[in-house]
Amino acid sequence: QSALTQPPSASGSPGQSVTISCTGTSSDVGGYNYVSWYQQHPGKAPKLMTYEVSKRPSGVPDRFSGSKSGNTASLTVSGLQAEDEADYYCSSYAGSNNYVFGIGTKVTVL
Amino acid sequence: QVLLQESGPGLVKPSETLSLTCAVSGYSISSGYYWDWIRQPPGKGLEWIGSIYHSGSTYYNPSLKGRLTISVDTSKNQFSLKVKSVTAADTAVYYCARDSSMTGLLDYWGQGTLVTVSS
Repeated sequence: QSALTQPPSASGSPGQSVTISCTGTSSDVGGYNYVSWYQQHPGKAPKLMTYEVSKRPSGVPDRFSGSKSGNTASLTVSGLQAEDEADYYCSSYAGSNNYVFGIGTKVTVL
Repeated sequence: QVLLQESGPGLVKPSETLSLTCAVSGYSISSGYYWDWIRQPPGKGLEWIGSIYHSGSTYYNPSLKGRLTISVDTSKNQFSLKVKSVTAADTAVYYCARDSSMTGLLDYWGQGTLVTVSS
């Protein structure tokens, strides 16, 4: 199984929006509505931000939204804040009881 | 609140076996869910290692299968990872996490523990 493709970096100014893509295949992202997104600050464990494409866990601001079209999933962060600067990873179920992560995107708040 | 805590040696020699344990508090493993191991080499991305269901069924990353053993001890409310024949490529921060559905929905994570493979 191959890692999902994400852009290495993305950036935006405070208050703006940034969208991160996560591209897979019909065997993972395109085949299942089981895409999750994680936020990871340096030296910290990842934190679940969205799951099942567009659902948000309790406590995650509605500035974070997920979507999917075909083999590509996306995470949009609206109203960027300084604390949103972090690495973001997508994951997708890939069938046969296994899942795969994306390579990660570093989001910079300018 | 569900808490997970990894423990084990921080240094392992090449060709030996890496052994880690994840102690869970605030939730009984025997009540359900999958329990996963994920690793992150320094400066790199996340890699799913494998999962164990509370009943003991195991699921492994195909790229690592053959070197992995994940087990659960419900009496101690903990689960464990063994990786045999390690090389420098196994150097990473190892995380344990609770998986709600075996689909990569990891809602609780441990803080992670760095394991270095070196002689």
